[in-house]
This record gives sequence, structure tokens and C-alpha cells, in this order.
Amino acid sequence: NAGVMQNPRHLVRRRGQEARLRCSPMKGHSHVYWYRQLPEEGLKFMVYLQKENIIDESGMPKERFSAEFPKEGPSILRIQQVVRGDSAAYFCASSPAGNNEQYFGPGTRLTVT
Amino acid sequence: GQSLEQPSEVTAVEGAIVQINCTYQTSGFYGLSWYQQHDGGAPTFLSYNGLDGLEETGRFSSFLSRSDSYGYLLLQELQMKDSAFYFCAVRDPYNQGGKLIFGQGTELSVKP
Repeated sequence: NAGVMQNPRHLVRRRGQEARLRCSPMKGHSHVYWYRQLPEEGLKFMVYLQKENIIDESGMPKERFSAEFPKEGPSILRIQQVVRGDSAAYFCASSPAGNNEQYFGPGTRLTVT
Repeated sequence: GQSLEQPSEVTAVEGAIVQINCTYQTSGFYGLSWYQQHDGGAPTFLSYNGLDGLEETGRFSSFLSRSDSYGYLLLQELQMKDSAFYFCAVRDPYNQGGKLIFGQGTELSVKP
């Protein structure tokens, strides 16, 4: 059973460009979570999604950030008009239900130049 | 709101026992989890305490006291590969309980 997959693993974008981060949950998991981690810091919750629904987006910045988890395909975290402060590691996790243990992917390291 | 406090770093020698503490302040409580992270890689689930007491999984144990809003992770027979960051986390009880709130992490360094 493959684990949580994220791609790309590393992404470099210039200021003002768009970044798209993808996450494929573990087989059988329909709940997906996105977290952001700055160097030497803990993970900060961004958004919690189920298939086609956003359950909790309390950690998402109000502008430029959006997330989706369509019926078919991976979950996408989209950052428009990236700025240097968006440089971080973005981790995706999945679980079979909302209050279960979360399994994390390897992360996408976004660098904004 | 929710907040967690844990020491920023702990050092121990190979073969020893080390305890990493975590105190929390929460408006609701669904249990305390522990995660390990090596070199910025994928956080790996280690342990969960929903009720007071000790949970043991091999060399790792975790303890919870809900009345004290306190828990700890105990690592025994330390090995060099245990050098990593360790995070405690609580679950936000709202919105189906999916949101994990993490502490800042404790960097464990195991010396020979």
C-alpha cells in the first residue's frame, strides 16, 4: 500500500508566479490535510478537505491560497502570485476518517526567488 | 485557542533514557499525539494518548495526565538513529476534529 505521495518534491518559483502542489492520499483515505512548516518550526495547519468539500480552512491565508480535492485525482494546493514569505515545506497528510491518525507525505519544498 | 509547549532541545547519550515533556492549553481535548521528523522529512506518527496513563510501543512510551494538561514521550535504549525532531500535537475538537495543532518541536541529539 503506497503511502501519501506529493509532487513535486522541490519547486522553485519567481515572485509573482503560481505554485501548484499535488497530494495523492493513501489508498482508501478520503480525508486530506495540508500543513506548512518553516525552518526550525512546527507544522502549521492550513486546510482540511474531504472529496469535493472543504471542511476547515481556518489556517489558510485569506488571499492567494486555495485548495481543492476533486472527486477524481489528487488534492491541489494552489498559491498565486507567490512571495518570498511563501518559501516553506508544505506537507500533506491523509486519514480514513476525520479523527483518525494522520499519515504524512514527504512534503514539497517551495523556494521563491 | 490551543497552544503547546515543549523544550526546544534535549541531548542524551546512546543507551540512555530520555523524556520529552509537553504541556498544552486547549479549549477542548481529543488526546495528545507524538510525531517524529528526521531531517525535514515526513513526520511519522509515534503514539497517541486519549486517556490518562501510559501507552507503550516498543522502546517508546507516552504518558498523559489530563488534569495537569501534561504529557511526555519516553524513549528508552536510545540509538543514534533516534536523533530527530519530536512534536507533540493536539486535535482541534471542532470541524470533525481533523485539525492537528503542533508544538514547536524538540530536537533530540543522541551522542555516542
